[in-house]
Amino acid sequence: DIQMTQSPSTLSASVGDRVTITCRASQSIRNWLAWYQQKPGKAPKLLIYRASNLEDGVPSRFSGGGSGTEFTLTINNLQPADFAIYYCQQYDTFGTFGQGTRVEVK
Amino acid sequence: QVQLVESGGGVVQPGGSLRLSCAASGFTFSSYAMHWVRQAPGKGLECVAVISYDGGDKYYEGSVRGRFTISRDNSKNTLYLQINSLKTEDTGVYYCAKDRSSVRRGPEGFFDFWGQGTLVTVSS
Repeated sequence: DIQMTQSPSTLSASVGDRVTITCRASQSIRNWLAWYQQKPGKAPKLLIYRASNLEDGVPSRFSGGGSGTEFTLTINNLQPADFAIYYCQQYDTFGTFGQGTRVEVK
Repeated sequence: QVQLVESGGGVVQPGGSLRLSCAASGFTFSSYAMHWVRQAPGKGLECVAVISYDGGDKYYEGSVRGRFTISRDNSKNTLYLQINSLKTEDTGVYYCAKDRSSVRRGPEGFFDFWGQGTLVTVSS
């Protein structure tokens, strides 16, 4: 199985900040990576696919990058609605997720 | 609009069984692979099973293989997950999720729509 590791586990930030979450794969997954946002009691929401493609309707302050084994999710000008947990998921093979990164209010 | 509505969760004793259902609408169900993803309380997400658009190919996460069976009825636009020999570590919310890509046969895929989830609690 491909292992996905996110860092940090928790990120404290303020409205207006730029934040970056890193996701590393245990082997190359080319660019077969998605990012999701999950809020308490809700299902995850797709943000980005194929490492850098923004899903329709997702604000442009979200962006993704990377390839191979290292990937990033960046949120520019953090908004109150962005405080949530973020997960990366590889889909080069049977899907596996990172353990999640909680973005909390500083 | 796409809707996925899970049902069938509940409280069951270790060793018991449940059948989860996911009713789909708003898209051509028979054209898309479908997935089950679970989340233990306070924990992260875990892909459990995937079935190809026509039901001909099925894949499972290692810890559930042999105990869980994914199936679908394209005439009823419904996805199922039969879960047997339940263990306490199977406790969690089970989501059905639609694959972005149509007519997929392989185990890979990412999810553009999710249901609201159904809670499975395994406890004596």
